Amino acid sequence: DSGVTQTPKHLITATGQRVTLRCSPRSGDLSVYWYQQSLDQGLQFLIQYYNGEERAKGNILERFSAQQFPDLHSELNLSSLELGDSALYFCASSLGGSNQPQHFGDGTRLSIL
Amino acid sequence: ILNVEQSPQSLHVQEGDSTNFTCSFPSSNFYALHWYRWETAKSPEALFVMTLNGDEKKKGRISATLNTKEGYSYLYIKGSQPEDSATYLCAFGGGADGLTFGKGTHLIIQP
Repeated sequence: DSGVTQTPKHLITATGQRVTLRCSPRSGDLSVYWYQQSLDQGLQFLIQYYNGEERAKGNILERFSAQQFPDLHSELNLSSLELGDSALYFCASSLGGSNQPQHFGDGTRLSIL
Repeated sequence: ILNVEQSPQSLHVQEGDSTNFTCSFPSSNFYALHWYRWETAKSPEALFVMTLNGDEKKKGRISATLNTKEGYSYLYIKGSQPEDSATYLCAFGGGADGLTFGKGTHLIIQP
């Protein structure tokens, strides 16, 4: 058990809809990272928050946004969903800095019908 | 776009044999190199984080080496066991905190 909790585990919705994925980091970790894994793709870094502030941005679409709350949990909001957004979305947490190991949650599998 | 390449893509190894695979990454703006093990139906689990050229890390039968000047890292598994079957991911950290992952080496240990 990594200590990182992601909800929901599965999400099925339709094109054009909006969903929110939630992540609670491991106790003591200040950084939260979001990754997307689509078919035949490696883990793609989306965005990182550190202690409530956005720290780094990767290949995140404008339709996607995230935030980290004072209790350090994070939410990833995906809007105007398209078929191509179907993927496994992982949250990871760490103490902060790319020299720290990241601890991954079990992921949320998003299916767009 | 950062290029992190892992080879081979997949590997079948007999139980008891030793094996190794490669991760290549940009040799500039290096900050850290991570290795993760990802078992089916689970989430990636951190194995090693290496930051210095020449670093060697070991965890049981698994070890890793790092060459930042030429941009490669090797992961070694000694005396492979069925529980070693997994996808092994490497990830490059360029200092901006987000990691760039390779597509992984899928290792299958055959009894």
